[in-house]
Amino acid sequence: AQKITQTQPGMFVQEKEAVTLDCTYDTSDPSYGLFWYKQPSSGEMIFLIYQGSYDQQNATEGRYSLNFQKARKSANLVISASQLGDSAMYFCAMREGNSGYALNFGKGTSLLVTP
Amino acid sequence: AAGVIQSPRHLIKEKRETATLKCYPIPRHDTVYWYQQGPGQDPQFLISFYEKMQSDKGSIPDRFSAQQFSDYHSELNMSSLELGDSALYFCASSFRRNLAGLYEQYFGPGTRLTVT
Repeated sequence: AQKITQTQPGMFVQEKEAVTLDCTYDTSDPSYGLFWYKQPSSGEMIFLIYQGSYDQQNATEGRYSLNFQKARKSANLVISASQLGDSAMYFCAMREGNSGYALNFGKGTSLLVTP
Repeated sequence: AAGVIQSPRHLIKEKRETATLKCYPIPRHDTVYWYQQGPGQDPQFLISFYEKMQSDKGSIPDRFSAQQFSDYHSELNMSSLELGDSALYFCASSFRRNLAGLYEQYFGPGTRLTVT
């Protein structure tokens, strides 16, 4: 069963607008971590932001913030003030527990920022 | 800051040949992960090593093997290559000993393998 669900295969946003990329997850482990990565067309995987299951506050990193709603098992990525360079594939991933460190990825959302 | 290094960046092989992919983790990182990303797919975890010992195993085919060496670099050996092995292979690293590996995992640029 898919542990990470990204329901938006593609998204459009205008430059300077904010955009939210959805991510829901499924785990019964009380300890887990949620990651967001950006993959431009060049292929590299760029780490954006991390949220731990016990973190009380939503994670923020510059223009990126994570809207963490634990009860709903969602970890949406919010990009503020979109830039043309934000056009890329975005992957949500989860690490379960404290022993297994491997990441389980969602299918990704392709974001296109238009002028 | 130093990043994860992977070599080669591109590799073309024929069916039934073998390939070796190399990964040099970020200095001080003690854990290496290998992921496979097929065309248009999400990355799939293959295998990981912590302190030179196999740590976790994912969907790695029996035709593939990997190890981590004393200098912490890792190699993924792929034999009897099939067309379906064509993919982007990522290596990632983290510093697990101080639990930083729980909240960080940095990826290399990937090796693009094409099997013809």
